Amino acid sequence: EDKVVQSPLSLVVHEGDTVTLNCSYEVTNFRSLLWYKQEKKAPTFLFMLTSSGIEKKSGRLSSILDKKELFSILNITATQTGDSAIYLCAVDIRVQGAQKLVFGQGTRLTINP
Amino acid sequence: NAGVTQTPKFQVLKTGQSMTLQCAQDMNHEYMSWYRQDPGMGLRLIHYSVGAGITDQGEVPNGYNVSRSTTEDFPLRLLSAAPSQTSVYFCASSRTSGSHSYEQYFGPGTRLTVT
Repeated sequence: EDKVVQSPLSLVVHEGDTVTLNCSYEVTNFRSLLWYKQEKKAPTFLFMLTSSGIEKKSGRLSSILDKKELFSILNITATQTGDSAIYLCAVDIRVQGAQKLVFGQGTRLTINP
Repeated sequence: NAGVTQTPKFQVLKTGQSMTLQCAQDMNHEYMSWYRQDPGMGLRLIHYSVGAGITDQGEVPNGYNVSRSTTEDFPLRLLSAAPSQTSVYFCASSRTSGSHSYEQYFGPGTRLTVT
């Protein structure tokens, strides 16, 4: 059974702190790993990772993939209250050539001023 | 571009009623999918489609039907609503190209309550 597990499930920090969110996976036919941010409504895309060891970066957010140990981390430095959201990790698995995303449970991040 | 649109935003049904959740996209994406999101469980794939006339089941397809007669539209039908189908439903779309991965774009969601 394909499985994606995120930790922690919930995290509360103060503005300015640095946080690390974890995503581990056990899937057949891995193609890529994606991170999404979900505020009130639809998830919005952050990163797609396909190769081990190559960091993707966007402003204060960065992410890296380890395909040997089957995990990814999402780092957020100098956190702001606007970073409060649910962060979703998903793995793209291929079934008969079609993309299918398997999601983790999400990490609810709360940034207190 | 409107992106991915969903209607209605909210819906309350009685057990046994049927309804259709609408999803449309204007990005000419071949791939479309439906997810449900329940507390503590992330998003789970219900059905997906790789193009007009082609649909397939996801992880939790029971109680739902889909069809894809056009590239733009991908409606989700609940045949006989049950309280276990109370959830938030998201439609998503993306490009497709062989084994290459593409990000999925999500609609704003439909919050469904079945009493």
